[in-house]
Amino acid sequence: GENVEQHPSTLSVQEGDSAVIKCTYSDSASNYFPWYKQELGKRPQLIIDIRSNVGEKKDQRIAVTLNKTAKHFSLHITETQPEDSAVYFCAASIPGNQFYFGTGTSLTVIP
Amino acid sequence: NAGVTQTPKFQVLKTGQSMTLQCAQDMNHNSMYWYRQDPGMGLRLIYYSASEGTTDKGEVPNGYNVSRLNKREFSLRLESAAPSQTSVYFCASSEVSPYGYTFGSGTRLTVV
Repeated sequence: GENVEQHPSTLSVQEGDSAVIKCTYSDSASNYFPWYKQELGKRPQLIIDIRSNVGEKKDQRIAVTLNKTAKHFSLHITETQPEDSAVYFCAASIPGNQFYFGTGTSLTVIP
Repeated sequence: NAGVTQTPKFQVLKTGQSMTLQCAQDMNHNSMYWYRQDPGMGLRLIYYSASEGTTDKGEVPNGYNVSRLNKREFSLRLESAAPSQTSVYFCASSEVSPYGYTFGSGTRLTVV
């Protein structure tokens, strides 16, 4: 099956700086790549997703880039704020199949 | 519109006991999933149901069984709980697999 690796496992940034989280996947058939944010004690919530026919997608302060050739995709958060502190998960999926999640990145934004 | 509802929110079991985790969604979604979340391991799929009447194993199905009772409900059963099953369990649903996952609020299970 698919194998998704996520780095770094922890990340601390100063408020206002940018944060980047990277994921790689193994199966070239994967074509859907969502990112989830999970606040402490809460459920994961979808924050942005990208499909393999698109190289980049942006939504206000967050953006995701996809490099199909290299099989990696990244989450970029600009102008970070304390409320961005959470665990972020990437995932990859093959058509008609389930998600394979990365192991998560704990992001701390220091005021 | 409640989305995905899981019960119970917390449970403590003794080794060898059995229990069923309940999940219901009111979004008319076709696909439903059960995940477990452990520190440093991310979310791992236990079982899923692509549509009413079908169920399939995920990455970590051993020790669990599931029932897709109807389109709304998907339950997870632990027949003989083990300490290794201590985890947070999330149910999720989507209209079309795998897009648009909505997660429930989770069940924190401790097996002693």
